[in-house]
Amino acid sequence: QLQLQESGPGLVKPSETLSLTCTVSGGSITSSSYYWGWIRQPPGKGLDWVGSIYYSGSTYYNPSLKSRVTISVDTSKNQFSLKLSSVTAADTAVYYCARHFYLPGVAVDYWGQGTLVTVSS
Amino acid sequence: QSALTQPASVSGSPGQSITISCTGTSNDVGGYKYVSWYQQYPGKAPKLMIYDVSERPSGVSNRFSGSKSGNTASLTISGLQAEDEADYYCNSYTTISTGVFGGGTKLTVL
Repeated sequence: QLQLQESGPGLVKPSETLSLTCTVSGGSITSSSYYWGWIRQPPGKGLDWVGSIYYSGSTYYNPSLKSRVTISVDTSKNQFSLKLSSVTAADTAVYYCARHFYLPGVAVDYWGQGTLVTVSS
Repeated sequence: QSALTQPASVSGSPGQSITISCTGTSNDVGGYKYVSWYQQYPGKAPKLMIYDVSERPSGVSNRFSGSKSGNTASLTISGLQAEDEADYYCNSYTTISTGVFGGGTKLTVL
């Protein structure tokens, strides 16, 4: 059974960089046709797609976040990571890592449990 | 890209059918068959209920069905049950190879 697990700091200061890692177990991150992504949800609000990556390194980002987001993949560790720079309180959210089963940004069949990241001084 | 438009809330009685709409543009919902729907309970990760407009993943009840007309996709839940009370989100692929979600709809089972 595929499992995704987010890890990283739960508290980030304003203007700093948020960094999260997703570890995939029970399957290979290099499996063809799957994309790996990040989706966030501010407290009490809806889902917001952050971006996705293919194991080859091709990336796809939300246009509204593109200037601040970097998603990378480490196939040797079966992990992918998110960096979001210059964070503000508006970036406070539960961040989910996810598997898209055939296209970036849509059709998520596996989700991590989510990790709350709070931006505060 | 703008979020897809969903009603904030819908309600229905047990046994009834309800439909949740999801309106986008020709650059997302209207342009592809790649629309998904998710169910989310409070404090939990979303669960995929529908993909490719109308396909159900294995294990999802056939009470859930999806359709699309033009720039609007719809999720219909028939034979409403108390356990269906949750938030529902639509999600579409876009012409610039990105994803976009709807604002979410809270379903109340009366």
